[in-house]
Amino acid sequence: DTEVTQTPKHLVMGMTNKKSLKCEQHMGHRAMYWYKQKAKKPPELMFVYSYEKLSINESVPSRFSPECPNSSLLNLHLHALQPEDSALYLCASSQGLIAGGLRDTQYFGPGTRLTVL
Amino acid sequence: GEDVEQSLFLSVREGDSSVINCTYTDSSSTYLYWYKQEPGAGLQLLTYIFSNMDMKQDQRLTVLLNKKDKHLSLRIADTQTGDSAIYFCAETKSDNYGQNFVFGPGTRLSVLP
Repeated sequence: DTEVTQTPKHLVMGMTNKKSLKCEQHMGHRAMYWYKQKAKKPPELMFVYSYEKLSINESVPSRFSPECPNSSLLNLHLHALQPEDSALYLCASSQGLIAGGLRDTQYFGPGTRLTVL
Repeated sequence: GEDVEQSLFLSVREGDSSVINCTYTDSSSTYLYWYKQEPGAGLQLLTYIFSNMDMKQDQRLTVLLNKKDKHLSLRIADTQTGDSAIYFCAETKSDNYGQNFVFGPGTRLSVLP
């Protein structure tokens, strides 16, 4: 089973709303990732969690707040977003955050299509 | 260069072979990857190749790796309309935190009937 699930599939929110994106995997992976993907562009890394601890935050604005409640779940809390934050948000996981091995292979979820009005 | 490079578009006729090329940057990348993204969907891992291999074949997919030129290619034999998608190559780059993925810009493959 190499499945990563994400909910919701689509989300429309106003600039004053608070919402959350959810990601789940049951592969026993210990590293989880959030990416942002704009149309016709490759995914851009936002956050990396390793063993439920935030290990990388790629200078993402504070209106995006990640949370890793346990090793299977990853949330992305959204507050006071801007229209330019509209994008496909992808979650991924890998076995670990170890240099140089196949454990780095990342498996992606289907994404949440976010529209900010 | 600093970026992973791919040509942005490729059109082929159904039944022909497709070859998607990629130039990567980090000679220490241990694994190199190909992902497929269909419209509105996430990234699907297609295949990967270990850096000490020259070639890997998996059904209709053949990956060729030229480490000297840092060139990676994906050949799809007997291309079908269902192969229409964006194909991303990715390398792993080392930094202080471990290994991170760096994606190319993606090649949009259009399969014409």
